[in-house]
Amino acid sequence: GAVVSQHPSWVICKSGTSVKIECRSLDFQATTMFWYRQFPKQSLMLMATSNEGSKATYEQGVEKDKFLINHASLTLSTLTVTSAHPEDSSFYICSAELAGTYNEQFFGPGTRLTVL
Amino acid sequence: AQSVAQPEDQVNVAEGNPLTVKCTYSVSGNPYLFWYVQYPNRGLQFLLKYITGDNLVKGSYGFEAEFNKSQTSFHLKKPSALVSDSALYFCAVRPFSGGYNKLIFGAGTRLAVHP
Repeated sequence: GAVVSQHPSWVICKSGTSVKIECRSLDFQATTMFWYRQFPKQSLMLMATSNEGSKATYEQGVEKDKFLINHASLTLSTLTVTSAHPEDSSFYICSAELAGTYNEQFFGPGTRLTVL
Repeated sequence: AQSVAQPEDQVNVAEGNPLTVKCTYSVSGNPYLFWYVQYPNRGLQFLLKYITGDNLVKGSYGFEAEFNKSQTSFHLKKPSALVSDSALYFCAVRPFSGGYNKLIFGAGTRLAVHP
């Protein structure tokens, strides 16, 4: 149980285009999902907290107009990188929070974004 | 500021030997503590967690970790390392205060197990 998927697993796009990444909780409902960014050989950096039915909460320094987050249902959150540039190339990982006593986070497999 | 420290960038160990990956934390309240493993180009896989109770926690793949409140540490251990254990390991802490639900990650420690 508690499986989280991401789609696509990798994407290559041209500079200036927008890319959408999906995060789904497959066997549970997630009121809250998180989006992380990971640079090579570095730790995960929390970008934003996504709450179903409300606006996402962005971490300091993360441009909300650049990284659009939509949490339209209890099993789906999307991250759209708008007008992508090479510096946006990174590994993006989402997690979904399983509501309960300990509110554990379960992580997706990640999406490798390469912007040419 | 709340933080998690993994003081070693890399740990090298011979196959069959015991391994330890260190983690210390500085957070308010009584935290939840986690260890995750990451293989190349993959997401994080959960290994184990400490919430409450026995300080020695057993997890997946033969790993265990000991919560030490006085030293604010949560070191990951395994009695006998396998080459397949080679990966990137992250310690994470969730402070248990005020409904805070974010995870604070350490920088990660790369474990290299040599045949």
